[in-house]
Amino acid sequence: QKEVEQNSGPLSVPEGAIASLNCTYSDRGSQSFFWYRQYSGKSPELIMFIYSNGDKEDGRFTAQLNKASQYVSLLIRDSQPSDSATYLCAVSGNTPLVFGKGTRLSVIA
Amino acid sequence: EPEVTQTPSHQVTQMGQEVILRCVPISNHLYFYWYRQILGQKVEFLVSFYNNEISEKSEIFDDQFSVERPDGSNFTLKIRSTKLEDSAMYFCASGDRSNEKLFFGSGTQLSVL
Repeated sequence: QKEVEQNSGPLSVPEGAIASLNCTYSDRGSQSFFWYRQYSGKSPELIMFIYSNGDKEDGRFTAQLNKASQYVSLLIRDSQPSDSATYLCAVSGNTPLVFGKGTRLSVIA
Repeated sequence: EPEVTQTPSHQVTQMGQEVILRCVPISNHLYFYWYRQILGQKVEFLVSFYNNEISEKSEIFDDQFSVERPDGSNFTLKIRSTKLEDSAMYFCASGDRSNEKLFFGSGTQLSVL
């Protein structure tokens, strides 16, 4: 059974701070790693993907991957109240994406 | 920007009734998926579809479920005899590569009474 684990939160950060979201996965054969943002009652929206060990930056978002530790993280710099949402980690190998339960982020103005 | 569209946005049905959820994937995508999310729980994989056949399905996707691509644009999920526990948000997703970046529709909220 492939598992993706995330702290459910809520993670509260002040506006302008860095939010750090973490995810671990069980399947060592996983090859592709995704971060989705989900606002309450809405569908998941893809915000980052990473395939190789190391960091990948896109605007205020940085995804970090460590395959040896089976660990993925997402950093959000200069957090804004509009970033308040649930962040879903998803992992795939040769199988469809498996999602974690998500971490709820609250950015306090 | 191209998007996945789903109809209806809400569906209320009586237990034992059949429902059909409809999706129009992004036009140049070849891989189609249904996921569901029960309130407060994780997004769960149901089925993937490629080249007019099911490529993979989960344990949730039992004989009560079926998928179809009746024409060049629509992708449907049918639940033959709904149960109370089928109440969930159902998401259609599509991608241009197998098990890679998925783009989700806005979902159909199914309520079985």
